[in-house]
Amino acid sequence: KAGVTQTPRYLIKTRGQQVTLSCSPISGHRSVSWYQQTPGQGLQFLFEYFSETQRNKGNFPGRFSGRQFSNSRSEMNVSTLELGDSALYLCASSRVGGEGSPLHFGNGTRLTVT
Amino acid sequence: ELKVEQNPLFLSMQEGKNYTIYCNYSTTSDRLYWYRQDPGKSLESLFVLLSNGAVKQEGRLMASLDTKARLSTLHITAAVHDLSATYFCAVDIEYSGAGSYQLTFGKGTKLSVIP
Repeated sequence: KAGVTQTPRYLIKTRGQQVTLSCSPISGHRSVSWYQQTPGQGLQFLFEYFSETQRNKGNFPGRFSGRQFSNSRSEMNVSTLELGDSALYLCASSRVGGEGSPLHFGNGTRLTVT
Repeated sequence: ELKVEQNPLFLSMQEGKNYTIYCNYSTTSDRLYWYRQDPGKSLESLFVLLSNGAVKQEGRLMASLDTKARLSTLHITAAVHDLSATYFCAVDIEYSGAGSYQLTFGKGTKLSVIP
């Protein structure tokens, strides 16, 4: 059974640009969450999608957005990149979210903003 | 705002020794998870604790949950070098009443097991 797949693995962008990250959940998983990991702030929740609807959003500026498609694949977008957006972005999936089973994380996309 | 505190944040221990990592959280929850992260890798689920008094064991690791004390522990028995990694606890609570749950993570405990 394939795991959570994130593409690309690495990205280098300059300030002011925008970026789109992609996530394919485990087959049959309909809930997709995104987390940002930095050395200073640790792991922080970005948002969660279920059946193409954003159910929850973390405390991030509006430059961070996402969406989910009918096949449960998800994308997140960061516009007007800032140096502080450099981080490892992790996508995680579960069947419906909140069922008390662990989230399955992808390998992440490491974004570097210069 | 939910806070999850782990201690210690750094742990260097010799092979064969025992140690415990502590995870305290600030609000009522009976769902707690432990994850492991190796350098440059993603998060791997270790334990899911879903009720007060839950205890799970896998190899040299044992996790427990005391929801009344809002405390979980991860006990390492007779450590080996392969256990060197960063360990995160995470608390799972529902937000916004929309059936959406999110994990709030501790800062992680970086464990180094020295031969």
